[in-house]
Amino acid sequence: DSGVTQTPKHLITATGQRVTLRCSPRSGDLSVYWYQQSLDQGLQFLIQYYNGEERAKGNILERFSAQQFPDLHSELNLSSLELGDSALYFCASSVGGDNQPQHFGDGTRLSIL
Amino acid sequence: GENVEQHPSTLSVQEGDSAVIKCTYSDSASNYFPWYKQELGKRPQLIIDIRSNVGEKKDQRIAVTLNKTAKHFSLHITETQPEDSAVYFCAAPGGYNKLIFGAGTRLAVHP
Repeated sequence: DSGVTQTPKHLITATGQRVTLRCSPRSGDLSVYWYQQSLDQGLQFLIQYYNGEERAKGNILERFSAQQFPDLHSELNLSSLELGDSALYFCASSVGGDNQPQHFGDGTRLSIL
Repeated sequence: GENVEQHPSTLSVQEGDSAVIKCTYSDSASNYFPWYKQELGKRPQLIIDIRSNVGEKKDQRIAVTLNKTAKHFSLHITETQPEDSAVYFCAAPGGYNKLIFGAGTRLAVHP
């Protein structure tokens, strides 16, 4: 158990819909990261938050957005869903600052029908 | 920006043999290099990491070496076991605490 909690574990929805993925970081961690992993693909960095503020952006589509709340949990919002958005979405957390280990949650498997 | 290349993409070994996975990075300022193991359908799990002030780090059967001059780092697994079968990812910093991951190596250990 990494201490990073992601909900839901599975999500099945249709094209055009909107979903919200939730992540609670490990106790004491201030940074949250979101990654997308498509089938048999690597980990694509989407976005990072540190103590409520956006710190870095990766290959995140405009249809996707995220935020980190005062209690440090984070939500990733995916809208106007397309078939290609089907993937595993991982959240990771770290204490913050440079060169700190990131610990991953178990992921949310999103299936678009 | 940082670019991380990982080789090989697949690796098949016999139980008891050693396995070596190599990654190269482009940003000479990078100074933190973690390795993750991901079993099928599970989360990436940090197995070892190395910082640029050391050249090698060991943890039981796994070790990581770093060559800053050549800008590459490698994962070494000795006495491989079937439970080592997984996808292994290397990573390097790509900005403020952002990690850029290699494409992964699928390791298969055959009994």
